Amino acid sequence: GQQLNQSPQSMFIQEGEDVSMNCTSSSIFNTWLWYKQDPGEGPVLLIALYKAGELTSNGRLTAQFGITRKDSFLNISASIPSDVGIYFCAGQRRSGYALNFGKGTSLLVTP
Amino acid sequence: GAVVSQHPSWVICKSGTSVKIECRSLDFQATTMFWYRQFPKQSLMLMATSNEGSKATYEQGVEKDKFLINHASLTLSTLTVTSAHPEDSSFYICSARAWGVAGASTDTQYFGPGTRLTVL
Repeated sequence: GQQLNQSPQSMFIQEGEDVSMNCTSSSIFNTWLWYKQDPGEGPVLLIALYKAGELTSNGRLTAQFGITRKDSFLNISASIPSDVGIYFCAGQRRSGYALNFGKGTSLLVTP
Repeated sequence: GAVVSQHPSWVICKSGTSVKIECRSLDFQATTMFWYRQFPKQSLMLMATSNEGSKATYEQGVEKDKFLINHASLTLSTLTVTSAHPEDSSFYICSARAWGVAGASTDTQYFGPGTRLTVL
């Protein structure tokens, strides 16, 4: 399946800073999801977006479903050390279909 | 709700042997499960879609005779790596489609913790 374009590839920031990452696609998706993966574990769902233009928050995380249905972004505010991990975006063409993943953004946060 | 487990969490086997990995949805029924593999520092790549009571659908380039998938119940799918070789060493992750879990009206996929396979 198509792999999404996710950027940046990695980020190295200080605790307290805000973080922004985004994902783009050449084709339309009906659902966008953001996952976090810690080493040696499976991805954990952070935010799911089901409608173009939708802006959804989960604590310090905010994500938006792009109007064109071809992009999404994730913001993390006031980062903390436990935010360290790899963040993946995923797009789903239709309900019940498998997910197409981005290449991931590796986030490192220094105290 | 929406917990997915995998067993074993890691396995080491000799080349030529077969290994079975289980994926279970613990608190919901999943008519559809997906199997992914992930190489170090890379993203998840879909291997196959597993539907309860029917044959799995494999992605292009994935050998169905090598990676046997059985989705015998609404809470269990298994992936068997037959005649494993060192190049099959990878992190295998399953996900389960959850509809209406915890009162939600939306369709979401939840992932298992993964199984690390090392073939010597």
